[in-house]
Amino acid sequence: AQKVTQAQTEISVVEKEDVTLDCVYETRDTTYYLFWYKQPPSGELVFLIRRNSFDEQNEISGRYSWNFQKSTSSFNFTITASQVVDSAVYFCALRCGGGSNYKLTFGKGTLLTVNP
Amino acid sequence: DTEVTQTPKHLVMGMTNKKSLKCEQHMGHRAMYWYKQKAKKPPELMFVYSYEKLSINESVPSRFSPECPNSSLLNLHLHALQPEDSALYLCASSQSWFRDSYPYSNQPQHFGDGTRLSIL
Repeated sequence: AQKVTQAQTEISVVEKEDVTLDCVYETRDTTYYLFWYKQPPSGELVFLIRRNSFDEQNEISGRYSWNFQKSTSSFNFTITASQVVDSAVYFCALRCGGGSNYKLTFGKGTLLTVNP
Repeated sequence: DTEVTQTPKHLVMGMTNKKSLKCEQHMGHRAMYWYKQKAKKPPELMFVYSYEKLSINESVPSRFSPECPNSSLLNLHLHALQPEDSALYLCASSQSWFRDSYPYSNQPQHFGDGTRLSIL
């Protein structure tokens, strides 16, 4: 069975602060895929990143960066110099690589509020 | 703009009504999904269609009936819903192919804006 834990239910920061959203996952599969999605109040889930279990490099995209640590089963997400538009619920999700693998296991989400 | 289009955006219906939610994508994806999301909760998978065939039904009550008329369209037919069915219904799609005879995808799912459904 697979599981995703986002221990932070809500985070509140002031604009321009850096913020890290934690994600810890559990799976017995050796091949798996991790995702981050952003859900603003409008409702749409916006895909941010996919990470394969066999990737070794961390990734940076503008103000966003992701730290994949296989040894601790974590896939944390950092926003640098946060902006009000970053306010949203962020979901970490896990998809396993075996068989018919359509199921995406979501964490409970972290509500990020960036105040001006 | 999202590449997965859902209509309507809002729907209010009585418990005896019959209505349908529609989803359309033109990305050539062969896997399509329905999710239900309650407030302050993550999305819950309801159905998966792969190559226009129902691949996964997560023990969803029969008052929800999915349909995939072609590779671009996905419908969710609603009948005799309960107040607890009020939620945001999200459609998603992803690339899919066959691996070892199993339908397979490791690509991200792309979501629509959802339909906010209220049952009176």
